[in-house]
Amino acid sequence: AQKVTQAQTEISVVEKEDVTLDCVYETRDTTYYLFWYKQPPSGELVFLIRRNSFDEQNEISGRYSWNFQKSTSSFNFTITASQVVDSAVYFCALIFLPGNAGNMLTFGGGTRLMVKP
Amino acid sequence: NAGVTQTPKFRVLKTGQSMTLLCAQDMNHEYMYWYRQDPGMGLRLIHYSVGEGTTAKGEVPDGYNVSRLKKQNFLLGLESAAPSQTSVYFCASTARTSGGSDEQFFGPGTRLTVL
Repeated sequence: AQKVTQAQTEISVVEKEDVTLDCVYETRDTTYYLFWYKQPPSGELVFLIRRNSFDEQNEISGRYSWNFQKSTSSFNFTITASQVVDSAVYFCALIFLPGNAGNMLTFGGGTRLMVKP
Repeated sequence: NAGVTQTPKFRVLKTGQSMTLLCAQDMNHEYMYWYRQDPGMGLRLIHYSVGEGTTAKGEVPDGYNVSRLKKQNFLLGLESAAPSQTSVYFCASTARTSGGSDEQFFGPGTRLTVL
């Protein structure tokens, strides 16, 4: 069975602090994709990143960075110099292949990040 | 290009009433999905469709039905609403790719309250 765990339900930081959101996943498949989505207070889901299981290179996009480690089945997300606009719920999600005919996403429970001024 | 749209945005039902949620996408995507979001549980898949005329059950299908008569539309029906179906419902779509997986594009959500 596939499972995504985001153990941190809520994190509160002060603006300009760095913060890391943890994501641990379980899958027996060797081929899979991992995603991060952001859900701001307005409610929509915003795609942030996709990573496939064969690409363990870390990625940086502005203040955002992602650390993918297959050895520990983790795909952690770090925000550097956090800003109030980063306040949102962040979801980690997994698609396993093959055998997933509909490319179904399995979501973690989400981490609510609150950045205080 | 509107992406994924959902109708209605809000709805209040009484127990036992029925309703249909409409999802439309203009990206010519093959795959469409209905999720529900409950506090602390992330999004859970209700039903999905891999093409016009086909549907399949997801993780939490009980109490819901779906139809995909047109490629661009995916309808979610509640025949007899229950308070346990109070939730935020999201529709999503994605393109069919060979050997890979694109991101899913989500609609703005429908907040449903069942009294």
